[in-house]
Amino acid sequence: EVQLVESGGGLVKPGGSLRLSCAASGFTFSSYSMNWVRQAPGKGLEWVSSISSSSSYIYYADSVKGRFTISRDNAKNSLYLQMNSLRAEDTAVYYCARDPAAMVPTINDYWGQGTLVTVSS
Amino acid sequence: EIVLTQSPGTLSLSPGERATLSCRASQSVSSSYLAWYQQKPGQAPRLLIYGASSRATGIPDRFSGSGSGTDFTLTISRLEPEDFAVYYCQQYGSSPNTFGQGTKLEIK
Repeated sequence: EVQLVESGGGLVKPGGSLRLSCAASGFTFSSYSMNWVRQAPGKGLEWVSSISSSSSYIYYADSVKGRFTISRDNAKNSLYLQMNSLRAEDTAVYYCARDPAAMVPTINDYWGQGTLVTVSS
Repeated sequence: EIVLTQSPGTLSLSPGERATLSCRASQSVSSSYLAWYQQKPGQAPRLLIYGASSRATGIPDRFSGSGSGTDFTLTISRLEPEDFAVYYCQQYGSSPNTFGQGTKLEIK
């Protein structure tokens, strides 16, 4: 059974940093691209970032480019999102999701339960 | 970027009825790279349809997707109580991937 478990969310002040993690199990993690998708409270879904299976291809939404860094450790079956210079508008539930495509972000076929990031003073 | 507009915003129907949800793109979605997701309160989204019309693993055949170009439709043939949720479309044919704002399907 595919499982994705996010952690690392919490309350942070504007300008602060946070590192999210996503632990994967139930599939060959090193064979799949992975995505981060976020959802502001009461709002819709927004793609944030993607990373290919070997980290060769990395993509970011314009809204987070230069502030967020996606990475992965295939030996640990883990995905990460380093978030710096956080803003109030980054407040959201952050989901990690599996992407069956090889190079470019496509669909999200399995999702974690999400971790809430709140940016507030 | 491609803007997806979903309609209606809210759809009120009864179990057993047929639901038709629309997703319109501001530009043509290449190769029908259009997906649909279902999200229930407090849960993560679940993939229903990809490639405009292919059902994801384990999705009942009462869910079907159709369309091409700029107009796409998700149809639920006979609503079950567990189908009442919010539905999102997503295009992945052009960067960046974008989602529609969602359609809430509620019990009438």
